[in-house]
Amino acid sequence: RKEVEQDPGPFNVPEGATVAFNCTYSNSASQSFFWYRQDCRKEPKLLMSVYSSGNEDGRFTAQLNRASQYISLLIRDSKLSDSATYLCVVNKLGGSQGNLIFGKGTKLSVKP
Amino acid sequence: NAGVMQNPRHLVRRRGQEARLRCSPMKGHSHVYWYRQLPEEGLKFMVYLQKENIIDESGMPKERFSAEFPKEGPSILRIQQVVRGDSAAYFCATTAASTDTQYFGPGTRLTVL
Repeated sequence: RKEVEQDPGPFNVPEGATVAFNCTYSNSASQSFFWYRQDCRKEPKLLMSVYSSGNEDGRFTAQLNRASQYISLLIRDSKLSDSATYLCVVNKLGGSQGNLIFGKGTKLSVKP
Repeated sequence: NAGVMQNPRHLVRRRGQEARLRCSPMKGHSHVYWYRQLPEEGLKFMVYLQKENIIDESGMPKERFSAEFPKEGPSILRIQQVVRGDSAAYFCATTAASTDTQYFGPGTRLTVL
């Protein structure tokens, strides 16, 4: 089983659509979870951290299910500028520092 | 990129040459992580350094690759005798001691001819 596994994508959606990405991780000791966004040929940028209680930032909602080792990202009212690859990321050591384990990413394309 | 600097941004080398990639952390950050992204692949951890120390190099290939983070100056990822398979984007990320939020530099795109 891969350490971090994501929906393969690509997701092609119209503007205004709601889209959901899923991710599973294999290490039950992982403590920190993130969604990063990566535009073509650019560096990853932190979109949001993911907490057990779930968290929301504007149009973006992240959920974590520790029992199922499952993470999700929901994007409401998609914008053209949301087009990017979304990376599910898990902290390997389970502590405050450590190397990050990245999923391969799910590509989102929002069309007019 | 939150102030993390990498240079060069693009590097072309012929097989057998050496590649040196530099990463300057943002102010206040003393931890550096190097990642490699092969075409159409996810980022893979290579090495984690603090000033003058390698903390975790479990992702580094056993040969030809080395990394350092001296007391003064940037962190350097060195690839000796490059091969075509080394062609990739190399990103560094830095973090302050008390937080696990990593900020990425813009990357160095290495092309081996």
